[in-house]
Amino acid sequence: EDQVTQSPEALRLQEGESSSLNCSYTVSGLRGLFWYRQDPGKGPEFLFTLYSAGEEKEKERLKATLTKKESFLHITAPKPEDSATYLCAVPPGDSGYALNFGKGTSLLVTP
Amino acid sequence: NAGVTQTPKFRVLKTGQSMTLLCAQDMNHEYMYWYRQDPGMGLRLIHYSVGEGTTAKGEVPDGYNVSRLKKQNFLLGLESAAPSQTSVYFCASSYSLTGRSYEQYFGPGTRLTVT
Repeated sequence: EDQVTQSPEALRLQEGESSSLNCSYTVSGLRGLFWYRQDPGKGPEFLFTLYSAGEEKEKERLKATLTKKESFLHITAPKPEDSATYLCAVPPGDSGYALNFGKGTSLLVTP
Repeated sequence: NAGVTQTPKFRVLKTGQSMTLLCAQDMNHEYMYWYRQDPGMGLRLIHYSVGEGTTAKGEVPDGYNVSRLKKQNFLLGLESAAPSQTSVYFCASSYSLTGRSYEQYFGPGTRLTVT
């Protein structure tokens, strides 16, 4: 069964304190891994797509990496405005259109 | 561009009432989706559409119906609301190109409470 598991569920960082969020997945035939950011009361916002092990993508203080079993979202010197829930998702192993979303990591960055 | 818009933003229904949620997108996307998001459950796909006039069931379709009469609009209907349908509903859209179809653009959500 396809599964996406994110850890930790919640993370509190001080401004400038770097850390990583984890997304582990089990799917037959990975067709991409997707990271989204969701602010409270808003819809998810697309961040990155990773397709193959070893691939990396960067955007400002965020860097996403991918291995054969998991993806990491590294946050370097975070700022309070990086506070949000970060979701990862993978397409199912068959040719379906749905995305399997993880439950997310809620990140709080304090000044 | 407004992106993906949803109406209404909030709604309270009584058990057994019906309602329609409207989603509109101005990005000329082929694919559109309806999700629900519940605490501890994550986002789950209700129904989706790969083009005007076509719809299909997602993971949790029971109790919902959809229609896509125009490319830019995707309607979600609840014929007889139940408390289990209390949730936040998100509409999303995407391109139909291989690989790009999972880069989904989400609306702001509709918070629905069924009492």
